[in-house]
Amino acid sequence: QKEVEQNSGPLSVPEGAIASLNCTYSDRGSQSFFWYRQYSGKSPELIMSIYSNGDKEDGRFTAQLNKASQYVSLLIRDSQPSDSATYLCAVTPSNTGKLIFGQGTTLQVKP
Amino acid sequence: EAQVTQNPRYLITVTGKKLTVTCSQNMNHEYMSWYRQDPGLGLRQIYYSMNVEVTDKGDVPEGYKVSRKEKRNFPLILESPSPNQTSLYFCATAPRLTGSSNQPQHFGDGTRLSIL
Repeated sequence: QKEVEQNSGPLSVPEGAIASLNCTYSDRGSQSFFWYRQYSGKSPELIMSIYSNGDKEDGRFTAQLNKASQYVSLLIRDSQPSDSATYLCAVTPSNTGKLIFGQGTTLQVKP
Repeated sequence: EAQVTQNPRYLITVTGKKLTVTCSQNMNHEYMSWYRQDPGLGLRQIYYSMNVEVTDKGDVPEGYKVSRKEKRNFPLILESPSPNQTSLYFCATAPRLTGSSNQPQHFGDGTRLSIL
């Protein structure tokens, strides 16, 4: 079992729709969770960080964390073509300085 | 301007010729890390450093060395590069890791290495 798993996609949504990206992780003691966006050939850029169960909203983005189910998700409302990118879920396992990434989900937003 | 600077950005070299990729940050961050990114394998952590003189292995440390002699710099050293180290490399930094609510890492622009 991979430590952090994401569906590689591509996930295709029409412009203006809600895109839902999912991630599961294996270390039950993980404390810190991040979503990064990466455009082709560019470096990852942070979208959201979340540390406690529940929802966290920032503009069009909402991160959701459920530690009991070991599940973290990212919702993108009113998706725009500029949101087309690969979205990376990253998790810090318990008691380490590591950051483990999922393989990423490619999102395509069609005009 | 807050920056994570990697050099070189691109390098083509040959097997066995020692090389160093530099990473420098001007944000006084305690934590620094190196990753490689390969198609189908995603981003994998090579080494990380929680502070000066403190380094630890990530998931793929074989064939790499690092040092953290000063806070701002964290060079990645390939003593005897091989073709399987051809990859896109990223340096990343964070203010500190607290254990419970680690602050997010910010990435440099990347270094594309090709080893022939």
